[in-house]
Order: sequence, then structure tokens, then C-alpha cells
Amino acid sequence: SAVISQKPSRDICQRGTSLTIQCQVDSQVTMMFWYRQQPGQSLTLIATANQGSEATYESGFVIDKFPISRPNLTFSTLTVSNMSPEDSSIYLCSVVTSGGSWEQYFGPGTRLTVT
Amino acid sequence: QKEVEQNSGPLSVPEGAIASLNCTYSDRGSQSFFWYRQYSGKSPELIMFIYSNGDKEDGRFTAQLNKASQYVSLLIRDSQPSDSATYLCAVGSSASKIIFGSGTRLSIRP
Repeated sequence: SAVISQKPSRDICQRGTSLTIQCQVDSQVTMMFWYRQQPGQSLTLIATANQGSEATYESGFVIDKFPISRPNLTFSTLTVSNMSPEDSSIYLCSVVTSGGSWEQYFGPGTRLTVT
Repeated sequence: QKEVEQNSGPLSVPEGAIASLNCTYSDRGSQSFFWYRQYSGKSPELIMFIYSNGDKEDGRFTAQLNKASQYVSLLIRDSQPSDSATYLCAVGSSASKIIFGSGTRLSIRP
């Protein structure tokens, strides 16, 4: 498994501002993902964070709104830009560790409230 | 048809009984199958994974996979109140993606 930390753990932000969420892993991982989970709902994949290249976004998510960086194999950031109340959600970083398996582990999440 | 389907519940099971959670998937090329437990306000925690047909046991948990029927289940024996949570089924698709179901809420009543 992997130990994953996220910062901040929670934040309350004003409409129109941006927030950058950091994800740090204690070991090098092959894949990193960003998910969103709204209260009582399941997980929605936002994008796959690719090391050294642009992230791969899922349908309905765009780089201008959710820019992602992944400068190395242990760190990634997700920015939620020009926020609106609809962006209020829990944002989760997730990783697949190396070794050919697809076991996926989640960080503790960032609870974002937009007012 | 959803790619990964679960009954949303809530599933209510008496303490000490066996809880049975079910999941079906649509992609016949899927090769890996996972069960996550998520407590309210917490992130999902991987509790079981299975890659081959049949049963896989780990403590009180047993994962069962039937690829012909495209069906995977999780059995929890001797259910405890601490097992009350939402259980997410996840399937590694042939497109190298992991698809999550919407989850089943399990409630263990004392």
C-alpha cells in the first residue's frame, strides 16, 4: 500500500476564487488520479495525472477549470479554478502503486465548501 | 446500463449474521475486482481484491468472483456494528480504467 497525504484537509472559499490541493505519496507510484465525491454520491473521476505531461481528463472536466500538475512520481496538485457553489465537494487523490496490479489507494480527501 | 451496478441499500443485517453484498459489471474483458469500505466522512479504504474466479478469504471477509456471470460479491461473516459503512465495488476494465459502483449502504443492527 501507500501512505497518501492531502493538503488542505478542508477549506471554505469564496465564489470566483481558486484553490490548489496538494497530494503527496510516501513512495513512487505509477498512476495518480483525482476524484470528486459529493455528499451521498459515489466517486467521479476527474482526471489521471500524468508525470511530465498533460493530465488526461474525463468527459465533463476541462483543464481550464481543473488544472493538474504532476512534476514527479510522488506529488500532484489539483486546482479548482473560478469556483462556484456547485464545486463544493470532497476531492480525493488516489494512486495505483507499482508492480503490475491495479490496487488503488485513496488519500484522506479535501472537503471544499464554496460560498 | 451502468458499467458497475450495486444495490444502493440500505442493507440491514443483525449483528453476528452474514452480510452479502453484490455487484454486477458489464465489461466482459474486466480482469480485476475490488471492494472498498467507506465510513461516513472518510475516504474509501481497500479491503479486498480478487483477480481469479472463485472465492478469496481474508479474515471475516470473502470475495467471490464469477466472470461468466459477470458477478462479484463480498460476504462479511459475524457482522459487527463497526462494519456499518458504504461498500463500493470497483472493476478494472479492459480499457485500463477502474470503474466504481455507486455503493451499498450496510447497517448492522445490534
